[in-house]
Amino acid sequence: EAQVTQNPRYLITVTGKKLTVTCSQNMNHEYMSWYRQDPGLGLRQIYYSMNVEVTDKGDVPEGYKVSRKEKRNFPLILESPSPNQTSLYFCASSQSGGAKLETQYFGPGTRLLVL
Amino acid sequence: AQSVTQPDIHITVSEGASLELRCNYSYGATPYLFWYVQSPGQGLQLLLKYFSGDTLVQGIKGFEAEFKRSQSSFNLRKPSVHWSDAAEYFCAVGARNQGGKLIFGQGTELSVKP
Repeated sequence: EAQVTQNPRYLITVTGKKLTVTCSQNMNHEYMSWYRQDPGLGLRQIYYSMNVEVTDKGDVPEGYKVSRKEKRNFPLILESPSPNQTSLYFCASSQSGGAKLETQYFGPGTRLLVL
Repeated sequence: AQSVTQPDIHITVSEGASLELRCNYSYGATPYLFWYVQSPGQGLQLLLKYFSGDTLVQGIKGFEAEFKRSQSSFNLRKPSVHWSDAAEYFCAVGARNQGGKLIFGQGTELSVKP
């Protein structure tokens, strides 16, 4: 089944404790992206990757890191989480990004609480 | 700057009634437009999309949307709502040449009365 998976689905942590949220897709998509969803704000893009070893900042990249060593995986790293990063996070992928914008497929979300 | 506005935060309709969710966008060129639905505890599922051509777009689950350039709108409609349609709905515009970014509206939560 074609899908985007995220782990963990739920996470409670404390300020400053490094964490990683994994994202994996099995559709051989080139483009992957991370969004955060906050009430009243919709979804906002954190980082995206056009292909392996190519990443760039979205609208709200502060406090986050990403890497794209393999085509299928795009982990989101919070080196020193803070309470304002408490949010619902979504990973998405599509065949390609850029000028020819295609349908993005979303993972199930990761709900993060930073105390 | 590109933006998407969904004026209604929360809408309640009776089962079997018609539905229209509003979406207005601000974008300098012809946009790519999307409607996504998020059921409780679930990820986002694509309902329909508009890239070009016919301005009335059919989607899954009986939904349709109409692109009106003169009004900068892309409203979502369904003629008869089912209880299972209760969810949060997001309108989004795709920013061309900006890394595939989707710009989302704030979302509209739909409740369905029996």
